[in-house]
Amino acid sequence: KQEVTQIPAALSVPEGENLVLNCSFTDSAIYNLQWFRQDPGKGLTSLLLIQSSQREQTSGRLNASLDKSSGRSTLYIAASQPGDSATYLCAVVSGSRLTFGEGTQLTVNP
Amino acid sequence: EAGVTQSPTHLIKTRGQQATLRCSPISGHTSVYWYQQALGLGLQFLLWYDEGEERNRGNFPPRFSGRQFPNYSSELNVNALELEDSALYLCASSLEAGLLSTDTQYFGPGTRLTVL
Repeated sequence: KQEVTQIPAALSVPEGENLVLNCSFTDSAIYNLQWFRQDPGKGLTSLLLIQSSQREQTSGRLNASLDKSSGRSTLYIAASQPGDSATYLCAVVSGSRLTFGEGTQLTVNP
Repeated sequence: EAGVTQSPTHLIKTRGQQATLRCSPISGHTSVYWYQQALGLGLQFLLWYDEGEERNRGNFPPRFSGRQFPNYSSELNVNALELEDSALYLCASSLEAGLLSTDTQYFGPGTRLTVL
């Protein structure tokens, strides 16, 4: 059974800092990995999708890396802004199922 | 282009009742997925529908069921409600069929179900 863990559970940083969110998964036989953002009381917004054959994806200030062999992914956020405050969820597709981590709650303080 | 829509936004029921949640996918998307996000349990995969048929389901009892209509909208039904069914229920749609597609899933805002 695939298990996805995200560290830290919560993070508070001052505006402008670069930060890294971590995601680990137990079964390395994944098809792809996605990072999502969830704002309070709202649905999920897909940020980045990395196929198993890829090592990283970039979108604006976001960069996600994938190391399948070690079962890890990181989401790097450059020059953080208060608008980045949200919960960030990592999810992996394996065995025809999408398994989510419990998320990292990020607060960026002005 | 309209995103995934869900109704109602909030739903309050009592134990033993039935709840019906609705989802309309993005136009052109044929796959619909349902997830449960309960407090302290994270986001759990519930059901996947594609072309009107149930393709996969998560580890939930049979009282969680649903269907997909010819226009690809979907209903999630929860029978014999229990207190622990209180959660945010999210619906997502994708252009390509199935979780193994290269296409991302687009999520709706969710329905907050409260069971008293």
